[in-house]
Amino acid sequence: DQQVKQNSPSLSVQEGRISILNCDYTNSMFDYFLWYKKYPAEGPTFLISISSIKDKNEDGRFTVFLNKSAKHLSLHIVPSQPGDSAVYFCAASRRMGGGTSYGKLTFGQGTILTVHP
Amino acid sequence: ETGVTQSPTHLIKTRGQQVTLRCSSQSGHNTVSWYQQALGQGPQFIFQYYREEENGRGNFPPRFSGLQFPNYSSELNVNALELDDSALYLCASSVDRGKTQYFGPGTRLLVL
Repeated sequence: DQQVKQNSPSLSVQEGRISILNCDYTNSMFDYFLWYKKYPAEGPTFLISISSIKDKNEDGRFTVFLNKSAKHLSLHIVPSQPGDSAVYFCAASRRMGGGTSYGKLTFGQGTILTVHP
Repeated sequence: ETGVTQSPTHLIKTRGQQVTLRCSSQSGHNTVSWYQQALGQGPQFIFQYYREEENGRGNFPPRFSGLQFPNYSSELNVNALELDDSALYLCASSVDRGKTQYFGPGTRLLVL
């Protein structure tokens, strides 16, 4: 049961344009969402996150949008740069036992972003 | 501030052998989670350790076991290795089972 899905295996974008990466989830208990970027031979690097009480979070060139009713989130990168070429993973998490602690991250399959000069 | 480190970087084992992977958490982080990433897939949660106790486990058999030490470093042990155990093993740390986990570079395990 794939609770987090990234339906686009790859995305190709021209330098300077916008990259939009999409992610869907099925579990309505998820209340925290993250995007990670991964280069070959490295571990995932945390990029940006959003809590379910918000619908947008911005950090420099990166903006994450959350649509809870559609169970959909997206990562916008503007402007895209060749150094952004990597695999992008969407992940989701939920509070455990009604407290403030979080357990596992559930990941999507990843989207390979290629930014052409 | 030191990030998450893992050792070794690469490992080759044969079927039936046992392996131990190591992880040092980021400075100040007391929670460690382990993930398995197969080729072309997203990371899959194995288990989490908090204050030396297992704090949640994914859908992995008992031959996957772990430890967390008083300095918050951690080990992942896999017994009776199978070919399908070939993967990238990732360790992530956080503070007090916090929302955001920070990953190490991973250990690439190949089982022949």
